[in-house]
Amino acid sequence: KAGVTQTPRYLIKTRGQQVTLSCSPISGHRSVSWYQQTPGQGLQFLFEYFSETQRNKGNFPGRFSGRQFSNSRSEMNVSTLELGDSALYLCASSSPPGQGLADTQYFGPGTRLTVL
Amino acid sequence: GENVEQHPSTLSVQEGDSAVIKCTYSDSASNYFPWYKQELGKGPQLIIDIRSNVGEKKDQRIAVTLNKTAKHFSLHITETQPEDSAVYFCAAIDGSGGSNYKLTFGKGTLLTVNP
Repeated sequence: KAGVTQTPRYLIKTRGQQVTLSCSPISGHRSVSWYQQTPGQGLQFLFEYFSETQRNKGNFPGRFSGRQFSNSRSEMNVSTLELGDSALYLCASSSPPGQGLADTQYFGPGTRLTVL
Repeated sequence: GENVEQHPSTLSVQEGDSAVIKCTYSDSASNYFPWYKQELGKGPQLIIDIRSNVGEKKDQRIAVTLNKTAKHFSLHITETQPEDSAVYFCAAIDGSGGSNYKLTFGKGTLLTVNP
């Protein structure tokens, strides 16, 4: 089975611009989560989608948004980019084991965003 | 919300030695604890996980132990090899509000295995 794929792998933008990142989950997985990874803050949860619905959101400003399509692919968007948005953005997919158990999440390689 | 503390932040061992990384969590409702290995330029790779109804789990050279009473869990790597060198992250599922998909991560441990 192919793993989680993310495009693009690298991106350079300037302050004030917006950016869209894409994630394709493992085949059959319906949940997609996004995380931001920085040297200072580590890995932080952005949001999670399941069946095209956002189920939970982390503590990030409204400039960060996302969506999920009917084929479970997901995109995240960051508007009005700031220097501090430079980070590795990771997508993870999971297939809920059911019975209220926690999901096992599998990560993609990430998109490295640099804001100049 | 959940808070996960991870120690040490760096760990250097000789090839063949054992390595232990420890994590503590704050939310007693957390019930799933995965460990990830991240190599340079790659995303985190799941290496082992444990659920709260189990005290220990082993997979070849890797083992994880969980103490629910003390709210801490540990990763044990035996017979370390240079290819084990990477950053290791522990994580816990935030049990607040019934959320079973939001991972809270530790800050990571840079493990270096010297040949």
